[in-house]
Amino acid sequence: EAQVTQNPRYLITVTGKKLTVTCSQNMNHEYMSWYRQDPGLGLRQIYYSMNVEVTDKGDVPEGYKVSRKEKRNFPLILESPSPNQTSLYFCASSDGTGVGPLHFGNGTRLTVT
Amino acid sequence: KQEVTQIPAALSVPEGENLVLNCSFTDSAIYNLQWFRQDPGKGLTSLLLIQSSQREQTSGRLNASLDKSSGRSTLYIAASQPGDSATYLCAVSDQGGSEKLVFGKGTKLTVNP
Repeated sequence: EAQVTQNPRYLITVTGKKLTVTCSQNMNHEYMSWYRQDPGLGLRQIYYSMNVEVTDKGDVPEGYKVSRKEKRNFPLILESPSPNQTSLYFCASSDGTGVGPLHFGNGTRLTVT
Repeated sequence: KQEVTQIPAALSVPEGENLVLNCSFTDSAIYNLQWFRQDPGKGLTSLLLIQSSQREQTSGRLNASLDKSSGRSTLYIAASQPGDSATYLCAVSDQGGSEKLVFGKGTKLTVNP
């Protein structure tokens, strides 16, 4: 089954404790992206990647890092999480041509205390 | 900067009604427009994708139209059912592909039995 898999689904952590949210897709997609969704603000793009070893900033990249060492994986790293990073995070992928739709994972709800 | 607006923010209709959801965008130089559905606690599911050269796309009871020159898209849902209850989001990508996808904040639809 074609899917985007994020882990974990729920995560509670404390300020400053480094964490990684994993994202994997099995569709051989070129393009992958991370978004955060906050009430009243909607979905905002954090980082995206057009291919292996190619990443670029979205609209809200501060406080986040990503890497794309393999085509299928695109982890989101929070080196020193802060409470304002409490949010619902989504990973997404597409074939990158603009012709195919964007496929989303089921989300990771992060709480930073 | 591209801005996407969806009005109304919420809509409640009786089962069986035909309905229209609206999406407007400020910059008409888009590559494509997608309509998504989001169920509570879940990721987004792509419903329809319209390329900038297209006027409409249809899938089952759903029909999406695009008027680039006026910066508008509509999602028409025929014979609505309680299972259609969800939040519907539209998103536009600028010239070049899906790298910089800008989302509206969505319309929360409730279809009452």
